[in-house]
Amino acid sequence: KAGVTQTPRYLIKTRGQQVTLSCSPISGHRSVSWYQQTPGQGLQFLFEYFSETQRNKGNFPGRFSGRQFSNSRSEMNVSTLELGDSALYLCASSPDGVYGYTFGSGTRLTVV
Amino acid sequence: ELKVEQNPLFLSMQEGKNYTIYCNYSTTSDRLYWYRQDPGKSLESLFVLLSNGAVKQEGRLMASLDTKARLSTLHITAAVHDLSATYFCAVDVGQTSGSRLTFGEGTQLTVNP
Repeated sequence: KAGVTQTPRYLIKTRGQQVTLSCSPISGHRSVSWYQQTPGQGLQFLFEYFSETQRNKGNFPGRFSGRQFSNSRSEMNVSTLELGDSALYLCASSPDGVYGYTFGSGTRLTVV
Repeated sequence: ELKVEQNPLFLSMQEGKNYTIYCNYSTTSDRLYWYRQDPGKSLESLFVLLSNGAVKQEGRLMASLDTKARLSTLHITAAVHDLSATYFCAVDVGQTSGSRLTFGEGTQLTVNP
């Protein structure tokens, strides 16, 4: 059974650019959540999507956005990148968003 | 705002010893998770605790949940080097409004020979 797939694995961007990260959940999972992990702030919730609807959003600026497609795949977009956006971005999927989260391998974003 | 606190944050122990990691949280929840993370890697699910008094064991690790005390513990029995990693607890308070995990700071465990 395939796990949660995140692409790309590594990314280097320049300040001011924008970036799109992709997450393919486990087949049959309808909930996708995104988290940011940094050494200073730890693991922080970004947003959760269920059946193409954003159900919950964390305390991040509007530069961070996401969406979910009808096949449950999700994308996360960060515009006007700042150095502080450098982090490991993790995606997690769940059958129903109630319990049982499986995390992907993450995308490591470096902003220079 | 939900706060999740783990202690200790750093734990260095000898192989063969026992120890407990504590996870306190500040609001009502009956859904608590434990994850393991190796350096540079993603989060590996260890336990899902869904009710008061829940106890789960896998190998040398045992997790329990006391929802009344808002406390979960991760007990390590006869530690081995392979258990060296960072362990996170996470609490989910999302229900009808969707889910969101709030993580503790993590406990960096080093098991020395």
